[in-house]
Amino acid sequence: EVQLVESGGGLVQPGGSLRLSCAASGFTFNSYEMNWVRQAPGKGLEWVSYITSSGGTIYYADSVKGRFTVSRDNAKNSLYLQMNSLRAEDTGVYYCAREGIPAASDYWGQGTRVTVSS
Amino acid sequence: IQMTQSPSSLSASVGDRVTITCRASQSISTYLNWYQQKQGKAPKLLIYAASSLQSGVPSRFSGSGSGTDFSLTISSLQPEDFATYYCQQTYSTLYTFGQGTKVDIK
Repeated sequence: EVQLVESGGGLVQPGGSLRLSCAASGFTFNSYEMNWVRQAPGKGLEWVSYITSSGGTIYYADSVKGRFTVSRDNAKNSLYLQMNSLRAEDTGVYYCAREGIPAASDYWGQGTRVTVSS
Repeated sequence: IQMTQSPSSLSASVGDRVTITCRASQSISTYLNWYQQKQGKAPKLLIYAASSLQSGVPSRFSGSGSGTDFSLTISSLQPEDFATYYCQQTYSTLYTFGQGTKVDIK
């Protein structure tokens, strides 16, 4: 069974940092591209970042570029999102998602909540 | 690429035929996906590549369109279909979602 489990969320002050993790199981992690998607409270979905199976190609939304860094450790079946210089507008639930179908996310984690507030 | 869904919300009854539209600000070929999200849950992929039904998704869901105009149709709305629906383009390397369409009970 495919499983994606996010962790690392929490309360952080503006300007602070947080590292999210996504533990993958039930599939060959190193064969799949992955995405991070977030959702502010009461708002819609916002795509955040994409990383290829090898980690060789990475894209970011303009809203996080230069502040967030996505990475993966295929030996540990894990995906990461390092978030620096956090702002109030980064508050929300962060999901990791597998791109199991070309250009579509077929499995999602349950999400981890990030709150940026003083 | 901006994605615009309409309507933003709709009220419908069980058994109704429901259509949600999604318009892209430029041509995206058929790089268009549809997701369903229920309150407090992760999104679920319904349709990929504009018209391909994801495995396990009921056949009452269908998608169509290409270029800039797309639609998601639920042929006969069921109680479990009350949720928010999002389109997503993956033509550009910077993926974008529509703002969502909330489907609730009339």
